[in-house]
Amino acid sequence: RKEVEQDPGPFNVPEGATVAFNCTYSNSASQSFFWYRQDCRKEPKLLMSVYSSGNEDGRFTAQLNRASQYISLLIRDSKLSDSATYLCVVEYGNKLVFGAGTILRVKS
Amino acid sequence: DAGITQSPRHKVTETGTPVTLRCHQTENHRYMYWYRQDPGHGLRLIHYSYGVKDTDKGEVSDGYSVSRSKTEDFLLTLESATSSQTSVYFCAARRGSLDGYTFGSGTRLTVV
Repeated sequence: RKEVEQDPGPFNVPEGATVAFNCTYSNSASQSFFWYRQDCRKEPKLLMSVYSSGNEDGRFTAQLNRASQYISLLIRDSKLSDSATYLCVVEYGNKLVFGAGTILRVKS
Repeated sequence: DAGITQSPRHKVTETGTPVTLRCHQTENHRYMYWYRQDPGHGLRLIHYSYGVKDTDKGEVSDGYSVSRSKTEDFLLTLESATSSQTSVYFCAARRGSLDGYTFGSGTRLTVV
């Protein structure tokens, strides 16, 4: 089993749609969780940390379910500029393990 | 941002030659990492450092070595480059063990 698993997509959605990505992780001892965004041929950039209580940043909402070892990212009112690959990231010891990413394509 | 600079940005080298990639950060972050990214595999950890002269192996460390003689610099060396090491290499740094990473812009390495 991979340490961090994501649906690779692609998710093709119209502008204005709400889209959700899920991620599962295998190490129940992990303490830190993140979502990163990566544009084509660019470096990954931190989108948001994920907290146990859930957290929101504008149109983006992240949720953590420790019992099910499950992380989610919800994007509301999708914009063309949201098109990217979204990476689920889980801390293991002193290092972060990345999922392979979920591709989002927002169409006009 | 941690002000991370990678050099070179692009490199083409021949099989069997040694290659060194450099990562430089300006924020005095303790932790630094080297990843490679390949289609279908995502980002995979090669080596990491948790301080000067303190380094450890990641999941794909064979054929690579690292050195960190100063806080700001983390070098990745391919001892004898092979075609399987053609990849995009990303350096990352973070302040503390519970913080997210900041990445450099990447180095595209082609081994011919």
